[in-house]
Amino acid sequence: GENVEQHPSTLSVQEGDSAVIKCTYSDSASNYFPWYKQELGKGPQLIIDIRSNVGEKKDQRIAVTLNKTAKHFSLHITETQPEDSAVYFCAASRAGGGADGLTFGKGTHLIIQP
Amino acid sequence: DTEVTQTPKHLVMGMTNKKSLKCEQHMGHRAMYWYKQKAKKPPELMFVYSYEKLSINESVPSRFSPECPNSSLLNLHLHALQPEDSALYLCASSPQGGGAKPNTGELFFGEGSRLTVL
Repeated sequence: GENVEQHPSTLSVQEGDSAVIKCTYSDSASNYFPWYKQELGKGPQLIIDIRSNVGEKKDQRIAVTLNKTAKHFSLHITETQPEDSAVYFCAASRAGGGADGLTFGKGTHLIIQP
Repeated sequence: DTEVTQTPKHLVMGMTNKKSLKCEQHMGHRAMYWYKQKAKKPPELMFVYSYEKLSINESVPSRFSPECPNSSLLNLHLHALQPEDSALYLCASSPQGGGAKPNTGELFFGEGSRLTVL
């Protein structure tokens, strides 16, 4: 089955700096890679996703890159703000598996220092 | 705000109690999910309902009993739970699931029900 590794487990950055979270996956058939943000006491919220037919996707301060050859994908947050503090989960799903087949990484606790 | 609504937000129950968690979505999604999340861990899949039929049961103990009365509602009935079952229980929905093609993969979570078993 799929295995998703996520690093780092904790990331502390100064407000205004950039943050990068990295994930690797094992199943070459995986083709859907979402990122979820979970604030304290809330459910995970989908913030951005990417499919295997593209290498990069941006949405304002958030971007995701995918390297299919190396089987890794990354979340980039620029100009970080206090409200970016949360736990971020990456996930991967194989073709046809969709939401049923999502495998999550262990999560990264992002701390934005004022 | 999330469009998946879960009630109650908090629940405390004894090991002999029977209680239920409820979930509702009005996005027209045809797949609904129950996940269990322990502190500082990712969500773990428990059950998947696709077109109101149970399509996935991840070897969950029978003290957890899911029910899907219609395409908008999902319940989780709880009976004879153990203290180690204390966790955040998340409901989620997806436009399609259960092998339906195309399966977009997008998953929308509710805020969760925080369960404490004494």
